[in-house]
Amino acid sequence: KNQVEQSPQSLIILEGKNCTLQCNYTVSPFSNLRWYKQDTGRGPVSLTIMTFSENTKSNGRYTATLDADTKQSSLHITASQLSDSASYICVVSHIKAAGNKLTFGGGTRVLVKP
Amino acid sequence: EPEVTQTPSHQVTQMGQEVILRCVPISNHLYFYWYRQILGQKVEFLVSFYNNEISEKSEIFDDQFSVERPDGSNFTLKIRSTKLEDSAMYFCASSTHRVRYTFGSGTRLTVV
Repeated sequence: KNQVEQSPQSLIILEGKNCTLQCNYTVSPFSNLRWYKQDTGRGPVSLTIMTFSENTKSNGRYTATLDADTKQSSLHITASQLSDSASYICVVSHIKAAGNKLTFGGGTRVLVKP
Repeated sequence: EPEVTQTPSHQVTQMGQEVILRCVPISNHLYFYWYRQILGQKVEFLVSFYNNEISEKSEIFDDQFSVERPDGSNFTLKIRSTKLEDSAMYFCASSTHRVRYTFGSGTRLTVV
């Protein structure tokens, strides 16, 4: 069964600090792995997309890594800001004949405190 | 940057009533999707739509659900007879070349 598991479920960090979120997946056939940021009551917004051959990708203060052999990914947030408070969702895409079906993890809820 | 637009942002309906959730995908996108998120739970895939037909649907997407692209710009999700458990955020998404997904801001459906 295709699954995406994230840890931790939630974390609290002080403004300016760094944090790393983890994602493990069992999805086949694998197409790409995405990290999304979702504010409460809003739609997910893409942060990074990585294909099988990519093992790191950055978007500003967000850096994602991918180990396709172990089926693990991480999202590192550098120098956190209050606006980083949100849910961060790991999403794995698997190849379909038409379109890419996404399997979502449960998300890590990040709260940045001043 | 192009957006996926969903209306209404919040809809309250009585159990047993029909609802239609509306979406305007990005104009040059070819693939369209509906996802839902029950409060506190994961986002779940409902259905994908390509070339004017459903390409895949989940087990959630039963006979109470239907999708339509009536005029080449709108993409709708209809729930024929709503149940309390249909209360959720419904997200429309569109993509091109199967990679670049864009999600709408969602419609919060509350069934009372």
